[in-house]
Amino acid sequence: DTAVSQTPKYLVTQMGNDKSIKCEQNLGHDTMYWYKQDSKKFLKIMFSYNNKELIINETVPNRFSPKSPDKAHLNLHINSLELGDSAVYFCASSKRTGGIAEAFFGQGTRLTVV
Amino acid sequence: AQSVTQLDSQVPVFEEAPVELRCNYSSSVSVYLFWYVQYPNQGLQLLLKYLSGSTLVESINGFEAEFNKSQTSFHLRKPSVHISDTAEYFCAVSTGTGNQFYFGTGTSLTVIP
Repeated sequence: DTAVSQTPKYLVTQMGNDKSIKCEQNLGHDTMYWYKQDSKKFLKIMFSYNNKELIINETVPNRFSPKSPDKAHLNLHINSLELGDSAVYFCASSKRTGGIAEAFFGQGTRLTVV
Repeated sequence: AQSVTQLDSQVPVFEEAPVELRCNYSSSVSVYLFWYVQYPNQGLQLLLKYLSGSTLVESINGFEAEFNKSQTSFHLRKPSVHISDTAEYFCAVSTGTGNQFYFGTGTSLTVIP
């Protein structure tokens, strides 16, 4: 049973298209995240949701819109894709109420914009 | 704000030799510290963590890290590396009041046969 699952694993699309990445966690965690990993492996937080509420929205173009229909899901929709959006996107979750615990990561979605 | 510095971007080491991957953080509040490992084309997996208690923490595959508050460090060590340890290693910090994990830029460990 996968704890944090993302779909799709690979996504190749043309500039200007709109695409979505889905994320689900079955750990009962209250907080979910989206991270972007660039070609140099640097991990940058994009969004953080706690109990479906947006907590962190880093400097991310508004073409990126997260949606959390419930505590177990955090999807990422990207409009008007650009070449610079090519990266690996990781979803993660953690439990933050009652103390800090580690984050669990999905396998990543490798987005290639051509 | 918190930040994490991993001074070594690449560390080559011969098999069965010891290794230390360095991690320093800056924070004005209490922190929780983590090491994650990323194998090629995979997600990040937790290697070990310091939340409280003993400052020396160990993983099941022989890695250990020591939280040093005075030096704001959380260096990762292994006395004898194996080929299968070749991977990218990330140090991360979180705080009790924040809502994210801050990651270092990663250290690529290559174990040479």
